Amino acid sequence: DGGITQSPKYLFRKEGQNVTLSCEQNLNHDAMYWYRQDPGQGLRLIYYSQIVNDFQKGDIAEGYSVSREKKESFPLTVTSAQKNPTAFYLCASTLSARYGYTFGSGTRLTVV
Amino acid sequence: AQTVTQSQPEMSVQEAETVTLSCTYDTSESDYYLFWYKQPPSRQMILVIRQEAYKQQNATENRFSVNFQKAAKSFSLKISDSQLGDAAMYFCAYRSATITSGSRLTFGEGTQLTVNP
Repeated sequence: DGGITQSPKYLFRKEGQNVTLSCEQNLNHDAMYWYRQDPGQGLRLIYYSQIVNDFQKGDIAEGYSVSREKKESFPLTVTSAQKNPTAFYLCASTLSARYGYTFGSGTRLTVV
Repeated sequence: AQTVTQSQPEMSVQEAETVTLSCTYDTSESDYYLFWYKQPPSRQMILVIRQEAYKQQNATENRFSVNFQKAAKSFSLKISDSQLGDAAMYFCAYRSATITSGSRLTFGEGTQLTVNP
């Protein structure tokens, strides 16, 4: 079955470390997105990519980086510059503007 | 920039009753899409219903329907015959139809729905 796979489900990071969250899709979607979700808040866009080897900053890109070397993969790196990284991270993809997103099951990142 | 507002942080409904969740949005565009997503305790985001702004007819999906008022920029979700499995966080979302927007979704802050047996 087609879908989006996020890994790991839970991730713990020590202060000062970079960590990378994985997002893989087999839906043949061109566009992929990373959102952050905090308690009591909606989803906020971190980065998005509409095509391989191209990506754009979202609303809260500071302290994050991405790459899009393959259509299927859009990993997110949370760098040590991100001051408050503890959150739930959701990856999504879409075929075109008229359709909704397909979401992964999320990664819960905790700083220890 | 577009904004989406959900003014009800929490709502509750009795099982089998009907509940309406509110959503308003701000945009200067005429062509766009609106969505309602459900996030149960598993935190998996599930698309409930979508509406295309150029369509006058309100979208329906089984027990879920919307009241789309384009002039008022309002997009409410009605859940009929509420079931315990409907308990979740519900997010309203906006997406521009213009290609330069990157097909990005803008979300409201969510409404936590409780269904009482």
